[in-house]
Amino acid sequence: NAGVTQTPKFQVLKTGQSMTLQCAQDMNHNSMYWYRQDPGMGLRLIYYSASEGTTDKGEVPNGYNVSRLNKREFSLRLESAAPSQTSVYFCASSGTDYGYTFGSGTRLTVV
Amino acid sequence: AQSVTQLDSQVPVFEEAPVELRCNYSSSVSVYLFWYVQYPNQGLQLLLKYLSGSTLVESINGFEAEFNKSQTSFHLRKPSVHISDTAEYFCAVSLPYSGSARQLTFGSGTQLTVLP
Repeated sequence: NAGVTQTPKFQVLKTGQSMTLQCAQDMNHNSMYWYRQDPGMGLRLIYYSASEGTTDKGEVPNGYNVSRLNKREFSLRLESAAPSQTSVYFCASSGTDYGYTFGSGTRLTVV
Repeated sequence: AQSVTQLDSQVPVFEEAPVELRCNYSSSVSVYLFWYVQYPNQGLQLLLKYLSGSTLVESINGFEAEFNKSQTSFHLRKPSVHISDTAEYFCAVSLPYSGSARQLTFGSGTQLTVLP
C-alpha cells in the first residue's frame, strides 16, 4: 500500500548512544517532515525538507540532525541521546493537495 | 507565527450523543485549517480540511467543521458519535504557500472518549 514507512517501530537507547530513524515515502511527494509527539503538547516540528537536497530547522531541532537522501527517504539522527528525547517520532510527507500522510511512528525510550 | 489552541484536553461523551471539539487559532494572515484523528498506537490521519470556499466542510464519516473567520475558530462537530470515534483529535493550521513545504502547526490535542 502507498504511504510512509518508518523504521524501527520501537527502540530503547541508553543515554549517550546514537541512532538513526528511517523514513521512506512512495507517493512522489516533494516535502517531508519529522515531528515528535509528547503528551499534552501535540506534535512539534523537528526538521523538514521542502524538496530533495534541502533541509530546514523546525520548532525543536536541538539534538537532532537530518538527511534527505533522495526524494523518497528522509532520516533523523540522534547523535547523543538524552532522556528528554524520549518521545514518539512521526515522519510525514506532503504533496500539492495540502494533506499530510503520516507514518505509524517510532516509540523511542532513552534510559 | 501561527498558533492553535484546543480548549479541551479530554471530552467524554455517551454513545449517540452529539459532540463538539473546539479549536481556535491565531494568525496575522490567512491560513488553511485541518483536523487530524489519531487512533491508539497509530499515526495521524486527515479527517477534513478547509482551504477556501464554503466555510462548512464535511468528512466521509459524519464529522463536520465550520470555519469562522471573525471568531478565528474551526470547531469539529458530530451529531451522533459511535464507540469507534474514540481517538485523539488534533487541529492544525498552515500557511497557504505554494512551491515550498507547508509546515503544519498543531494544537495539543483533544482525547474524545465515547462511553457505552
